[in-house]
Amino acid sequence: DAKTTQPTSMDCAEGRAANLPCNHSTISGNEYVYWYRQIHSQGPQYIIHGLKNNETNEMASLIITEDRKSSTLILPHATLRDTAVYYCIVGGYQKVTFGTGTKLQVIP
Amino acid sequence: GAVVSQHPSRVICKSGTSVKIECRSLDFQATTMFWYRQFPKQSLMLMATSNEGSKATYEQGVEKDKFLINHASLTLSTLTVTSAHPEDSSFYICSARVGGYEAFFGQGTRLTVV
Repeated sequence: DAKTTQPTSMDCAEGRAANLPCNHSTISGNEYVYWYRQIHSQGPQYIIHGLKNNETNEMASLIITEDRKSSTLILPHATLRDTAVYYCIVGGYQKVTFGTGTKLQVIP
Repeated sequence: GAVVSQHPSRVICKSGTSVKIECRSLDFQATTMFWYRQFPKQSLMLMATSNEGSKATYEQGVEKDKFLINHASLTLSTLTVTSAHPEDSSFYICSARVGGYEAFFGQGTRLTVV
């Protein structure tokens, strides 16, 4: 699976959009981009995934660059409950390998 | 989404004893489940891939005789930490994938070995 690079931490004001970047320059053609988050002392939660096109669901939007070497997860209106570690993962259909993720702190 | 349930959520055991952690897929069948371990302030580390009806596949550096995995049915995988020691204290998490895409995770088991 391709390696990903994410900032260690980010802050976001409550109610504002949180934009979390991820670099995955070695992604191969059949690998998906997945985003998960982990709230303290809980199991990770699936957020969204995509291959080439931008994706949106009830939780977030995923923007993938045309060359697929990077992506951005957007939480449109961050709340305090969105404070968590966000993991960007690139891979196929089997095991999910976690990097260090981005610790997002939503500030009141 | 699909639900994966782990039991127990917390367990404290004495050094030298064994502890079994259960991972169940509640509303779907999972031919493959994954077991992770997470130490404080660290990311999740994949320990092994559990395959229904066959032997588990362990990641490099994970002792298969210490972390026994059994996946006897399509809805249940178990992880047994044998002869536990304080250094095995960690947060253990299981997951299963549905349809080959998103993975669903259990709520985790906090193991403390005293």
